[in-house]
Amino acid sequence: TAGITQAPTSQILAAGRSMTLRCTQDMRHNAMYWYRQDLGLGLRLIHYSNTAGTTGKGEVPDGYSVSRANTDDFPLTLASAVPSQTSVYFCASSDFGSSDYNEQFFGPGTRLTVL
Amino acid sequence: SQQGEEDPQALSIQEGENATMNCSYKTSINNLQWYRQNSGRGLVHLILIRSNEREKHSGRLRVTLDTSKKSSSLLITASRAADTASYFCATDGNNRLAFGKGNQVVVIP
Repeated sequence: TAGITQAPTSQILAAGRSMTLRCTQDMRHNAMYWYRQDLGLGLRLIHYSNTAGTTGKGEVPDGYSVSRANTDDFPLTLASAVPSQTSVYFCASSDFGSSDYNEQFFGPGTRLTVL
Repeated sequence: SQQGEEDPQALSIQEGENATMNCSYKTSINNLQWYRQNSGRGLVHLILIRSNEREKHSGRLRVTLDTSKKSSSLLITASRAADTASYFCATDGNNRLAFGKGNQVVVIP
């Protein structure tokens, strides 16, 4: 079982360009999340989705958008990248609602550099 | 918002020693979780403790929770070189996790 896959593994992007980070899970989890990880700041939630067709804003949503057209995919789009979006991006999923806790499963991450 | 705050931030120990990390948080929680992150990898769930539990064990891991002090500790006993990683606490208060900044643990063989 693959779990969660992310693509690309890494990317260098010119400021002002757009990019979509892809995330796919095969665990049929209803909830998915996008985090960014920066040195000294830990993980910060960008956007989340509790179920297909719904999304919500996390702690740092500005400059990012997401969609959840189906259960498996949760792409993250940067419409016009800025250098402050240089970070490592992690996608995660959880079986939210079927149990009373929220263990999350993480993908391997995408390292994005905006120049 | 960022809730978990681990202390200390970095720990270097000899193989076989115990490693203890602490985490504090600010608001009420449903549960508190600990995750491990190896260098260049995603986070992996280690253990969860519910708000009505005080202590939990899983293999060489022992986690405690003091809701009156809003704090938790993670103890790794008999550490191994493979335990070298960053460890994060995460609080679950509204079905979304808020992660701390992480503890870097280096186990010297």
